[in-house]
Amino acid sequence: DTGVSQDPRHKITKRGQNVTFRCDPISEHNRLYWYRQTLGQGPEFLTYFQNEAQLEKSRLLSDRFSAERPKGSFSTLEIQRTEQGDSAMYLCASAPPSPLHFGNGTRLTVT
Amino acid sequence: AQSVSQHNHHVILSEAASLELGCNYSYGGTVNLFWYVQYPGQHLQLLLKYFSGDPLVKGIKGFEAEFIKSKFSFNLRKPSVQWSDTAEYFCALHAISSGSARQLTFGSGTQLTVLP
Repeated sequence: DTGVSQDPRHKITKRGQNVTFRCDPISEHNRLYWYRQTLGQGPEFLTYFQNEAQLEKSRLLSDRFSAERPKGSFSTLEIQRTEQGDSAMYLCASAPPSPLHFGNGTRLTVT
Repeated sequence: AQSVSQHNHHVILSEAASLELGCNYSYGGTVNLFWYVQYPGQHLQLLLKYFSGDPLVKGIKGFEAEFIKSKFSFNLRKPSVQWSDTAEYFCALHAISSGSARQLTFGSGTQLTVLP
């Protein structure tokens, strides 16, 4: 399967801990996106990379969130000092530039 | 800022019934429009997209959607649904001239349940 891969699939953490998620996009796609999805809602945009450059960040992305794509390939999303409100599905998508191809997501539960 | 509205949160149909899911958007400029589907336990998959040209677009699995610019709508249709169409359906918009990155704005989704 050469789709978008996300790791881990599930993460349970205690409030205040840091977590990091990884996304491996489709290899020839230069655009990479992070979205967050909560129950009963559609995905909400967090941030966007074109190659290694982070070109846009949503206001949803507080200073506790940081994303990187160091070599223009895989990307990581880190959440520091997690809060219960961070519990959600975190989706990664890549694009050639269009349309977006989504991964299965990482479900984060903050206890 | 742009927005997408899906007014039907949950639709329940019997097999062979016809389907129409509503999608309305708010944005005054040029748009690209998409419908994505999420089957239980699977990732979001593209059903169909509209960029320009013929406002009636056909997608996979017998789905189609019609872009009506005057109504700011992009409703999804299928003449005869199957049990395997049970899934959550998301309408999404890319605002071409918004000046922001090429991210999508999603609606809140419609859960379709097809009864066998």
